[in-house]
Amino acid sequence: AQKVTQAQTEISVVEKEDVTLDCVYETRDTTYYLFWYKQPPSGELVFLIRRNSFDEQNEISGRYSWNFQKSTSSFNFTITASQVVDSAVYFCALSEKYNFNKFYFGSGTKLNVKP
Amino acid sequence: GAVVSQHPSRVICKSGTSVKIECRSLDFQATTMFWYRQFPKKSLMLMATSNEGSKATYEQGVEKDKFLINHASLTLSTLTVTSAHPEDSSFYICSARGGTSGTLNEQYFGPGTRLTVT
Repeated sequence: AQKVTQAQTEISVVEKEDVTLDCVYETRDTTYYLFWYKQPPSGELVFLIRRNSFDEQNEISGRYSWNFQKSTSSFNFTITASQVVDSAVYFCALSEKYNFNKFYFGSGTKLNVKP
Repeated sequence: GAVVSQHPSRVICKSGTSVKIECRSLDFQATTMFWYRQFPKKSLMLMATSNEGSKATYEQGVEKDKFLINHASLTLSTLTVTSAHPEDSSFYICSARGGTSGTLNEQYFGPGTRLTVT
């Protein structure tokens, strides 16, 4: 069965610290997509990244980086030099290539960045 | 591009009444739209998938007679919560997908509608 686990319910850091949000997934499919979304207090989901299961290259975008490890079924997200504006709930999600309709969301990790 | 709007952003209704939430794709034609529900401090749960011009497909456990979904055009889907009860209070989020390939194959999420039933 498809499942996404974000074991960290809530994380608090002080501004400028680095923080890694963990995501572990389960799927029987060999082709799938992984996503990260940010949900600030206003509620809207902000798309951060999509990763194809065949592309294991790590990605860096500014202060954000993602580490995709198929061997451990993990897709972790690191924020470098965190800022107060990074405070939000972050969701990891999985969708299958041949059933792209279904998104399986993790339970989310609430990140609190304190000044 | 690929903007999805929802209206209203917040709604308060009395128990027993019905409320309609609109989801619009503003700059693309959405062949498929999705409705999610998010309980406080919880994850998003897919309620149903709707394709333009056909009946919605509901996820297991979602009452189709209570949550009426209509996808009458390629840019508009509506979710009507009928005979609302306080337990229907939640954050409802729609998303839209424009096709089966390329960037429009992505799901683009609306800003959400917070429903409070008193």
